[in-house]
Amino acid sequence: DAGITQSPRYKITETGRQVTLMCHQTWSHSYMFWYRQDLGHGLRLIYYSAAADITDKGEVPDGYVVSRSKTENFPLTLESATRSQTSVYFCASSPRQGGSYNEQFFGPGTRLTVL
Amino acid sequence: GDSVTQMEGPVTLSEEAFLTINCTYTATGYPSLFWYVQYPGEGLQLLLKATKADDKGSNKGFEATYRKETTSFHLEKGSVQVSDSAVYFCALTYAGGTSYGKLTFGQGTILTVHP
Repeated sequence: DAGITQSPRYKITETGRQVTLMCHQTWSHSYMFWYRQDLGHGLRLIYYSAAADITDKGEVPDGYVVSRSKTENFPLTLESATRSQTSVYFCASSPRQGGSYNEQFFGPGTRLTVL
Repeated sequence: GDSVTQMEGPVTLSEEAFLTINCTYTATGYPSLFWYVQYPGEGLQLLLKATKADDKGSNKGFEATYRKETTSFHLEKGSVQVSDSAVYFCALTYAGGTSYGKLTFGQGTILTVHP
């Protein structure tokens, strides 16, 4: 399917476990982003990537790891999940055209609960 | 650093009422401004944008004007519908440089429209 997809859509895990959230886009957009959405905070940037093998930290990176070996995939890993990481996670991608950044296209989100 | 502040919600209106959602920003440079909308159970979608001062973005009956003098980007609609019930996010980014198009979001405003 064309677009940006996330899996799983829902995940329940326990404190201390490793969890990986997947993000896949079919547009070959250069830029990809991971956000978490929490009540009262809007969306906060966790990590972003400008291209394959180029990633950098956002506003709230602690406890998360990303990789980008292929342009279309941008997985997010919680190395040892904590209750404070219970949230809704959104992946987004964006093209770069003519030297300017464009709108971001968002996936449907993954609702993660850490017990 | 940059920040975006939206009016506190939730906002509850009757169908055909006038809508205003206030958004103000603090920025170190000259950002582009966006309104994103999130319908229940979905990811965010771009609603409208403005890239420079005095620009007016518009889409689906919604409008917002980039006011540099008041650092504001208020969202308005003359007559809301039940289908407009959603969460609305104001956001900013920079079109160039090393920002990679990272979005800074407000906390979101929940809008509920009753028949």
